Amino acid sequence: KAGVTQTPRYLIKTRGQQVTLSCSPISGHRSVSWYQQTPGQGLQFLFEYFSETQRNKGNFPGRFSGRQFSNSRSEMNVSTLELGDSALYLCASSLTGGRMNTEAFFGQGTRLTVV
Amino acid sequence: AQSVTQLDSQVPVFEEAPVELRCNYSSSVSVYLFWYVQYPNQGLQLLLKYLSGSTLVKGINGFEAEFNKSQTSFHLRKPSVHISDTAEYFCAVTAYSGAGSYQLTFGKGTKLSVIP
Repeated sequence: KAGVTQTPRYLIKTRGQQVTLSCSPISGHRSVSWYQQTPGQGLQFLFEYFSETQRNKGNFPGRFSGRQFSNSRSEMNVSTLELGDSALYLCASSLTGGRMNTEAFFGQGTRLTVV
Repeated sequence: AQSVTQLDSQVPVFEEAPVELRCNYSSSVSVYLFWYVQYPNQGLQLLLKYLSGSTLVKGINGFEAEFNKSQTSFHLRKPSVHISDTAEYFCAVTAYSGAGSYQLTFGKGTKLSVIP
């Protein structure tokens, strides 16, 4: 079965612009989580969506937002990009994201570079 | 809130030698523990997980980990490493975050370099 698909794989944006990243979860998975990975901060949780509702949110400014569609595909948006937003953005999907989050499958990520 | 500490940022080891990657966690509630591996320019792949039961957990690629509640540790081990094990390894914990959500918290990662 197809894995988690993130598009695009690479992105270069200019400071002040906005960007939208896409994540298609494994078929049947309803929970999608987003993480930011940087060399300095490591992997940090952004937010989780389940059945089109944001269920959990990490400690990121309001410039970071997301949404989930009825087919469970998710997008995250970053507005007014800053140099510090350069990172690998990872999406993870799971059946429910519930009790044990045991089967969180990760996509290959989108490498965002802000110049 | 929970946190994870991976004690070594880099671990070099010769091929066919044993390796241990250390992980300690802190949490005020019961947690579930995981090890993930990340190869260059790739996402994360689950190696193994501890949910309950036996404290010795076996995973893929010959890795195993032992949960030690008294020491709040979950160290990863492999008796004989291969060149292909060169990657970054992340320890993670998850605990209930409310509204039915369980959030993964990751350590900073340990880069394992296998030397031929």
